[in-house]
Amino acid sequence: AQKVTQAQTEISVVEKEDVTLDCVYETRDTTYYLFWYKQPPSGELVFLIRRNSFDEQNEISGRYSWNFQKSTSSFNFTITASQVVDSAVYFCALSVGANSKLTFGKGITLSVRP
Amino acid sequence: DADVTQTPRNRITKTGKRIMLECSQTKGHDRMYWYRQDPGLGLRLIYYSFDVKDINKGEISDGYSVSRQAQAKFSLSLESAIPNQTALYFCATSDTLAGKNTGELFFGEGSRLTVL
Repeated sequence: AQKVTQAQTEISVVEKEDVTLDCVYETRDTTYYLFWYKQPPSGELVFLIRRNSFDEQNEISGRYSWNFQKSTSSFNFTITASQVVDSAVYFCALSVGANSKLTFGKGITLSVRP
Repeated sequence: DADVTQTPRNRITKTGKRIMLECSQTKGHDRMYWYRQDPGLGLRLIYYSFDVKDINKGEISDGYSVSRQAQAKFSLSLESAIPNQTALYFCATSDTLAGKNTGELFFGEGSRLTVL
């Protein structure tokens, strides 16, 4: 069975601070995919990134960056110079092998104050 | 227009009533899912379907049923709604038809259900 743990439940920062959202996953499979989704106050789920288990390269997209470390089973998400519009719930998720059911973490509520 | 459409978007009902949430997609994806979101619990899978003749229970299927009427339609029913089914419900799709099985889900906008 697979599991995703987002130990942080709520984070509050002041605008322009950097913030890292942690994600730890568990699976015995060697082929899997990791995801981050954003849920702004409007409620929709917005796809941010997908990473497969064979690609440990970190990725940067504007102010967003992701650090994938198989040695610690972690897939952490950093927002640099946070903005009020980054306020949302962020979910980390895992799918394993040919089974495309996503297992979600419980989410992290990020509040960015002006 | 949204690729994955859920109706209704909001519904208030009473205990014991039958409720149906509908989902339709124009993405041509073969797989469809129903998730439930509760504060602090993340998203939990209720049912999923890999094609029209395939229905599978997720981790919290009790009290729910589904119907995959066509490849593009997947409806969720609460036969007798109860207050602890008050939640935000999401339909999602994924694509394996072109060997693209990455697990990425494409979500509808959500249906907020309140059971009084």
